[in-house]
Amino acid sequence: EVQLVQSRAEVKKPGESLKISCKASGYSFISYWIGWVRQMPGKGLEWMGIIHPGDSDTTYSPSFQGQVIISADKSITTAYLQWSSLKASDTAMYYCARLGSTPNGWFDPWGQGTLVTVSS
Amino acid sequence: QSVLTQPPSASGTPGQRVTISCSGSSSNIGPNTVNWYQQLPGTAPKLLIYNNNQRPSGVPDRFSGSKSGTSASLAISGLQSEDEADYYCAAWDDSLNGPVFGGGTKLTVL
Repeated sequence: EVQLVQSRAEVKKPGESLKISCKASGYSFISYWIGWVRQMPGKGLEWMGIIHPGDSDTTYSPSFQGQVIISADKSITTAYLQWSSLKASDTAMYYCARLGSTPNGWFDPWGQGTLVTVSS
Repeated sequence: QSVLTQPPSASGTPGQRVTISCSGSSSNIGPNTVNWYQQLPGTAPKLLIYNNNQRPSGVPDRFSGSKSGTSASLAISGLQSEDEADYYCAAWDDSLNGPVFGGGTKLTVL
């Protein structure tokens, strides 16, 4: 079974750093793109960026370029999303999801989500 | 302001047929296929329709998708109470070089 399991919820203060993870199993990790999607409280889905774990080729949404870093460690089949200095406006649910062998496909499956709360 | 445009809400009574529209442009829906996601309350999104009109295994045939030009639609027939959810359309955008989403449509079963 193809599965993406995300790290637990986090509560952080503004200015702190954070790295959340997405552990993949049940398929060839290096063969499929993975994306990160933000959902702010009560709002819709926003694409943040995508990565190909095989060669770490990464594309960021213009809205998130320079704000986050997406990476992957193929030795442990895990993708990451990280911030160097969190803001209150980063409070949201973050989902990882698998794309196809080419990026212009559909997201399936999705991880269960990681809730990030940034508050002083 | 989402790249793809959906109505914020839709509603219907049990057994009815409802449709949800998704409008895009020549850089996204026009040249690319459309996918739909269902997000039940408090859960992660789930793939509902891919490649405009294909259903993943396990999705009832009450759900169907279509695309014409730069617009797409999701139709739900025989509406059931468990269909109450948020629905999102999505497509690859050639200008942004990434996937884009609609703002989502909240479906209420009256």
